[in-house]
Amino acid sequence: GENVEQHPSTLSVQEGDSAVIKCTYSDSASNYFPWYKQELGKRPQLIIDIRSNVGEKKDQRIAVTLNKTAKHFSLHITETQPEDSAVYFCAERDVWGRLYFGRGTQLTVWP
Amino acid sequence: NAGVMQNPRHLVRRRGQEARLRCSPMKGHSHVYWYRQLPEEGLKFMVYLQKENIIDESGMPKERFSAEFPKEGPSILRIQQVVRGDSAAYFCASSRLTGNDEKLFFGSGTQLSVL
Repeated sequence: GENVEQHPSTLSVQEGDSAVIKCTYSDSASNYFPWYKQELGKRPQLIIDIRSNVGEKKDQRIAVTLNKTAKHFSLHITETQPEDSAVYFCAERDVWGRLYFGRGTQLTVWP
Repeated sequence: NAGVMQNPRHLVRRRGQEARLRCSPMKGHSHVYWYRQLPEEGLKFMVYLQKENIIDESGMPKERFSAEFPKEGPSILRIQQVVRGDSAAYFCASSRLTGNDEKLFFGSGTQLSVL
């Protein structure tokens, strides 16, 4: 449950472009994968999550995909805006309920 | 419905002093988690508690760190004899944990600075 790898560590995009962040995990028993957004000096906020019985979930400009076979999941942000700039963390939940986080992706959206 | 409440927001301690960080979970939540975040790093799991029980403290350093979640009152993360390496943001999170509803909500964190 502790091996969550997240890429890239930094990502810069032009306003209006799409941004994709990818994570891989190793615990095949993990069944819940949330994404958090953290602005500088603030708390991590849950933006979207997906469970292992679902392959894709979308909420307006944000979508998450999950490939359980390959043990990876991705965050997709379309039509990016400057206010999307933040650090994004992926996480996996193990069977004991603990969340393990990736190291984060600093997303910068240039106007 | 107030969210997860943490205090203090900022705590300054000198080496060797004790730090006590408090966390009140969201209303209706009985599960509390503590995480530590170093600058430009992710959130590291420390401990998972339910009321009056430590469920998992595998992420806690073996010495100087302790946590509790009493029947009444907030959860407390206690760091004794602080050292400079303890400087970090400490986040508390809570969940309802019923069935598959395990969304975790975070407090605003306590920034601990050890001089």
